[in-house]
Amino acid sequence: GAVVSQHPSWVICKSGTSVKIECRSLDFQATTMFWYRQFPKQSLMLMATSNEGSKATYEQGVEKDKFLINHASLTLSTLTVTSAHPEDSSFYICSADDRGQNEQFFGPGTRLTVL
Amino acid sequence: EDQVTQSPEALRLQEGESSSLNCSYTVSGLRGLFWYRQDPGKGPEFLFTLYSAGEEKEKERLKATLTKKESFLHITAPKPEDSATYLCAVQASNDYKLSFGAGTTVTVRA
Repeated sequence: GAVVSQHPSWVICKSGTSVKIECRSLDFQATTMFWYRQFPKQSLMLMATSNEGSKATYEQGVEKDKFLINHASLTLSTLTVTSAHPEDSSFYICSADDRGQNEQFFGPGTRLTVL
Repeated sequence: EDQVTQSPEALRLQEGESSSLNCSYTVSGLRGLFWYRQDPGKGPEFLFTLYSAGEEKEKERLKATLTKKESFLHITAPKPEDSATYLCAVQASNDYKLSFGAGTTVTVRA
């Protein structure tokens, strides 16, 4: 299957700082990428859909000014958590949509801890 | 709104003891139903996509089936390395995003 990478794999930051997470599709072009968050022992909750060259579409209840998404190329999307607070601590996972196969491949996730 | 319900929540099996996981769904037109495996602290690993009722797919000890209302993931003669959380997700015909169920955590004891 196709490979999706995320960087960093984990990050610890102080409350009030901003954190950027990168998601890359390594061997295919992804016109669409998705960002999820997952709390312990819970399933994946979709935060937003990121389309290359256009604004992201956010799910209901997700603050677009707090979770900034940029999809500047067909292989890279970034999620920036602005002014992070302890309640933003979570496991953030991206996926990339390989339309040619109609399969979504997930990255390994980024563990964010806000102190 | 798309809904996905997985049962049971947790499943403990002896090595070699076959079983099935259930995924019930409601969606406004199904584009695809996806099965993923997730190990602790990792991203989901793609297993199968099913598109229409009656379709079946197999991979090693796993077999996925689909009806108009539910999907089953059958685990035949499981091994300890099959221990993981299995996630089911649906994709509506008018969108490409996935709606996930809560997952079934499978533990296989040697």
